[in-house]
Amino acid sequence: GNSVTQMEGPVTLSEEAFLTINCTYTATGYPSLFWYVQYPGEGLQLLLKATKADDKGSNKGFEATYRKETTSFHLEKGSVQVSDSAVYFCALRVYRGATNKLIFGTGTLLAVQP
Amino acid sequence: DGGITQSPKYLFRKEGQNVTLSCEQNLNHDAMYWYRQDPGQGLRLIYYSQIVNDFQKGDIAEGYSVSREKKESFPLTVTSAQKNPTAFYLCASSAASGSYEQYFGPGTRLTVT
Repeated sequence: GNSVTQMEGPVTLSEEAFLTINCTYTATGYPSLFWYVQYPGEGLQLLLKATKADDKGSNKGFEATYRKETTSFHLEKGSVQVSDSAVYFCALRVYRGATNKLIFGTGTLLAVQP
Repeated sequence: DGGITQSPKYLFRKEGQNVTLSCEQNLNHDAMYWYRQDPGQGLRLIYYSQIVNDFQKGDIAEGYSVSREKKESFPLTVTSAQKNPTAFYLCASSAASGSYEQYFGPGTRLTVT
């Protein structure tokens, strides 16, 4: 079946530190991959996406590269800020006709300290 | 501004009562979704609808019901049959074609006591 595995949190970093949140997936077919971010008490916002192997998604200083050979889509940022504190969700979508179902990982809480 | 609205943000009910959560979108999206979020479990799909007057069960539909009478609206009813209804509920929508990105509302936190 299709699934997403994320590293468990919380991840606690000091401001300006380098961030990596690991995400690996299992999927039949050729999935699209997404990172969503959830700030406290809010809904999810799409952070970045990649639709095919070797694509790099990027937004707001965050990056993730779709690695088919390692079935991974790790999220990285070179220098985190306190405002990046949130829960980050990795998700995949496998094309299956008209159905657009996302499968989410369990989320990783990031806490950035000043 | 285009977006998804969910109301209310916080909802309290007594056990045994049905409760309906509202979700409205003005993005002209064909597809809409309901997710449930529990601590440490990520998001789980309850119901989804690809077009008006049609919807399908997701992974955890038991104890829930939906309707899709209008393109803009996809209300979720949490019935008394739902064993553990206290959770954070998120509504989302997406276009029926193209990149299929899902856009999320701000969520409703339901507490049943």
